[in-house]
Amino acid sequence: DIQMTQSPSTLSAFVGDRVTITCRASQIVYNWLAWYQQKAGKAPKLLIYKSSNLESGVPSRFSGSGSGTEFTLTIDSLQPDDFATYYCQQYKSNSTFGQGTTVES
Amino acid sequence: QLVQSGAEVKKPGESLKISCQGSGYGFPYSWVAWVRQMPGKGLEWMGSIFPSDSDTRDSPSFQGQVSISADKSTNTVYLQLSTLKASDTAMYYCARQKAARGSFDLWGQGTLVTVSS
Repeated sequence: DIQMTQSPSTLSAFVGDRVTITCRASQIVYNWLAWYQQKAGKAPKLLIYKSSNLESGVPSRFSGSGSGTEFTLTIDSLQPDDFATYYCQQYKSNSTFGQGTTVES
Repeated sequence: QLVQSGAEVKKPGESLKISCQGSGYGFPYSWVAWVRQMPGKGLEWMGSIFPSDSDTRDSPSFQGQVSISADKSTNTVYLQLSTLKASDTAMYYCARQKAARGSFDLWGQGTLVTVSS
């Protein structure tokens, strides 16, 4: 199985901050990497697919980068609605999620 | 959209089948995944199915513990859990995949399963 490791596990930030979350894969996943946002009591929401493609309807302050084993999700100018938990997911071989990163105020 | 069946409360040892019905897109021709989220924990992929021909892909972590099936005539996929344990208490989500190798772009609302004596 491919293991996904996110860092940090928790991140404290303010509105307007630039936030970066990192995801590392235990094997090369090329660009088969997605990012999700989940709020308490809600289903996850797809933000980024194939490492850097913004899902339709997702604000442009979200961006993704990376390939191979190292990936990054960046939120430019954090908004109040962005406080949530974020997960990376590899889908190169079956599917595995990272353990999550909670962005808190 | 994907609409899941309602919350369930079961006793240990019982079995359970939860459903996920799709509408508004070519349901039989998109893979559908099941994802578990235990209380306060992260997301775990359990397996996926292609409703058109019921081709399935199982997570090694859940093999033998769950069964995924589909009824393309009703645009529904199912997740069966057998011999339930307290540790099966979780939220279960279905989600549409963009492709056979694809991210999950449409999610059901989740089905909360509680296993308690």
